[in-house]
Amino acid sequence: DAKTTQPTSMDCAEGRAANLPCNHSTISGNEYVYWYRQIHSQGPQYIIHGLKNNETNEMASLIITEDRKSSTLILPHATLRDTAVYYCIVRGNTGGFKTIFGAGTRLFVKA
Amino acid sequence: DTAVSQTPKYLVTQMGNDKSIKCEQNLGHDTMYWYKQDSKKFLKIMFSYNNKELIINETVPNRFSPKSPDKAHLNLHINSLELGDSAVYFCASSQESRRETQYFGPGTRLLVL
Repeated sequence: DAKTTQPTSMDCAEGRAANLPCNHSTISGNEYVYWYRQIHSQGPQYIIHGLKNNETNEMASLIITEDRKSSTLILPHATLRDTAVYYCIVRGNTGGFKTIFGAGTRLFVKA
Repeated sequence: DTAVSQTPKYLVTQMGNDKSIKCEQNLGHDTMYWYKQDSKKFLKIMFSYNNKELIINETVPNRFSPKSPDKAHLNLHINSLELGDSAVYFCASSQESRRETQYFGPGTRLLVL
């Protein structure tokens, strides 16, 4: 699976959009971009995933660059409860996949 | 209505002991997983089970053995516990056809003294 690079930490004001970047320059054609988050002392929570097109769901939007070498997770109106570690993962969607969550980005949403 | 539950939440034990962590999911999923989160917070997959068949084993020591009595349960047995086994262990589940969407349990915090 391709390696990802994320900033260690970010701050965001409550009510503003939080934009979390992820670099995955070695991504291959059949690999998807997934985002999970882990709120303190809880298990990881799936947020969104995509292959090429931008995606949106009730939690967030995922913007993938045309060359697929980077992506941005957007939380449109961050709340204090969005404070968590956000993991960007790149992997194939076929059998025998491996999942490793790296260090992620620690997002602090401040009042 | 907990989707994925684990017991116990905390486990403190001595080196050399044998212990088990239980996991249950009520989502009707056919694939379950065990992850280990170490002190550096890296989360790494250990096992996954699909229809009672082990399909991934990520170079985990054979002291660790997953056991699935049925599709809704995947328990983790650990023999001869070592200090380095101290970590948080997470269970997760998904549909085989949608592995990207995994639902995680609350974690079991294991401390080996």
